[in-house]
Amino acid sequence: DADVTQTPRNRITKTGKRIMLECSQTKGHDRMYWYRQDPGLGLRLIYYSFDVKDINKGEISDGYSVSRQAQAKFSLSLESAIPNQTALYFCATENRGNTEAFFGQGTRLTVV
Amino acid sequence: GQQVMQIPQYQHVQEGEDFTTYCNSSTTLSNIQWYKQRPGGHPVFLIQLVKSGEVKKQKRLTFQFGEAKKNSSLHITATQTTDVGTYFCAGSLNSGYSTLTFGKGTMLLVSP
Repeated sequence: DADVTQTPRNRITKTGKRIMLECSQTKGHDRMYWYRQDPGLGLRLIYYSFDVKDINKGEISDGYSVSRQAQAKFSLSLESAIPNQTALYFCATENRGNTEAFFGQGTRLTVV
Repeated sequence: GQQVMQIPQYQHVQEGEDFTTYCNSSTTLSNIQWYKQRPGGHPVFLIQLVKSGEVKKQKRLTFQFGEAKKNSSLHITATQTTDVGTYFCAGSLNSGYSTLTFGKGTMLLVSP
């Protein structure tokens, strides 16, 4: 089983719909991240959390919100999806101290 | 804000040729990490460099961190088709307390 699991893996939704992407980890890491990947733009940070009570905006947080329900779970929500939020989304975890990040398999989201 | 530039954006080589990707930061980094993402996959950690002028090798891969800790490179000797993928550098400003800023990546294609 993967250490960092994202659900769903693929999703097509309509403009204006609310959608939640979920991430769970079994690595026991404190830090969790949500990134967005677009062709040619690399990985851009949406939100991050250093522990259960900590939520921080990243580079491109507008239009997104997150919830850190427990150490192992970090959810990303699009309150009202729009087509330019079509992208590949990655969740990642990291142990404290800026060591390597472990990425989930990704969620491919299409907003039509 | 912090910017990490990576070049080239894309490179196509013949199997057996060498390959290098370069990463430059607008600010001095605490450390730099390198990741590889295979087509259709997720980023996977390769290595972290921390010290000024540091050089590390992993088989055919050589990683360097500049003396000023503002640039880094990844060199692959005698590429193989298994090297295909996108290589990302990711820099951190403050070890332990900051997030990673990713370059846009270099996509490597290797023809047999």
